[in-house]
Amino acid sequence: EAQVTQNPRYLITVTGKKLTVTCSQNMNHEYMSWYRQDPGLGLRQIYYSMNVEVTDKGDVPEGYKVSRKEKRNFPLILESPSPNQTSLYFCASSKLGLTMNTEAFFGQGTRLTVV
Amino acid sequence: ELKVEQNPLFLSMQEGKNYTIYCNYSTTSDRLYWYRQDPGKSLESLFVLLSNGAVKQEGRLMASLDTKARLSTLHITAAVHDLSATYFCAVDAGGGADGLTFGKGTHLIIQP
Repeated sequence: EAQVTQNPRYLITVTGKKLTVTCSQNMNHEYMSWYRQDPGLGLRQIYYSMNVEVTDKGDVPEGYKVSRKEKRNFPLILESPSPNQTSLYFCASSKLGLTMNTEAFFGQGTRLTVV
Repeated sequence: ELKVEQNPLFLSMQEGKNYTIYCNYSTTSDRLYWYRQDPGKSLESLFVLLSNGAVKQEGRLMASLDTKARLSTLHITAAVHDLSATYFCAVDAGGGADGLTFGKGTHLIIQP
């Protein structure tokens, strides 16, 4: 089954304690990205990757890191989480634009609370 | 910078009525997507619109795209309670390289 898998689904942590949210896709998609969803703000892109070892900042990258060592995995790293990073996070993958249909497939979401 | 505006942001309507959600975007694009999100859940793809004049229908939902007007609509016919959700439109203006830019979503409540 084609899917994007995020872990964990829920996480409560303390300020400053490094954490990683994993994301894996089995569709051989080149493009992967991370979004955060906040009430009234919709979805905002944090980082994206067009292929292995190619990553770039989205609209709200501050406080986050990513890596793309393998095509299927795109972990999101918070080196020193702060309460303003409390949010609902989604990983997504899609084909790149040359194929025209760049429809994104989303993971189930990770609800992160930083206290 | 691409801007995507949806309206209304909140809609409460009765079962059996018709309504339209609008999605305007600020730059040229012929790729627009509609997603549905139920509370606490992920985003589920509803429609993929890839050309001017594209129209897609699924049950009581119909989506269309007018690239000249930079406008997409999501029309709900004879609404039923099960359609209560938040609906997002998303635009790809960069050939996929910049990802999708989302509207803020339309929170739809359909009351019996």
